[in-house]
Amino acid sequence: KNEVEQSPQNLTAQEGEFITINCSYSVGISALHWLQQHPGGGIVSLFMLSSGKKKHGRLIATINIQEKHSSLHITASHPRDSAVYICAVGVSGSRLTFGEGTQLTVNP
Amino acid sequence: DVKVTQSSRYLVKRTGEKVFLECVQDMDHENMFWYRQDPGLGLRLIYFSYDVKMKEKGDIPEGYSVSREKKERFSLILESASTNQTSMYLCASSSLFPGAGGSGTDTQYFGPGTRLTVL
Repeated sequence: KNEVEQSPQNLTAQEGEFITINCSYSVGISALHWLQQHPGGGIVSLFMLSSGKKKHGRLIATINIQEKHSSLHITASHPRDSAVYICAVGVSGSRLTFGEGTQLTVNP
Repeated sequence: DVKVTQSSRYLVKRTGEKVFLECVQDMDHENMFWYRQDPGLGLRLIYFSYDVKMKEKGDIPEGYSVSREKKERFSLILESASTNQTSMYLCASSSLFPGAGGSGTDTQYFGPGTRLTVL
């Protein structure tokens, strides 16, 4: 079993829909990261969380440390949000452990 | 802005060739990482380095070696390329200190990736 599990693996939505991607992990962590990977490969960091909730534009990330669970929400989704969203956890040191990613497609 | 560059976006090599993938970062980061990314497996750590000439094995180091002679440059070497090393290779860097001494809170900055095909 992977230490980091994401669901769903694939998600297709219509423009304007509210989207939720989930991440569960099995170990104690120091921080959880949400990353975005567009076609072509480049990965950018969206959020780093150790507690509570963060918001940036239409993106919201929450984490529940007791339940070992995090969610990434996208409000008013747009086709340009189509990408792979990756959850990663930091346990100790500088290494991260990554989930397999969620492929999001937003249709116009 | 942090910039991480990789020497090639696409590379085609033949089985048995020695392959060099280079990564350069311009933010004086202490940590540098090499990952490979395969469908259904996500990002897997091959090697990382936390200082010049220092390296540690990741989860899948077999068939790879690395070199870090200068702080800004981290090279991944495939000594004798094989078809099962066909993959997307991503380099990343992070700073040790903002995360309180490498506590797992450091943001990693990624290069654009090199898609390597071994024939």
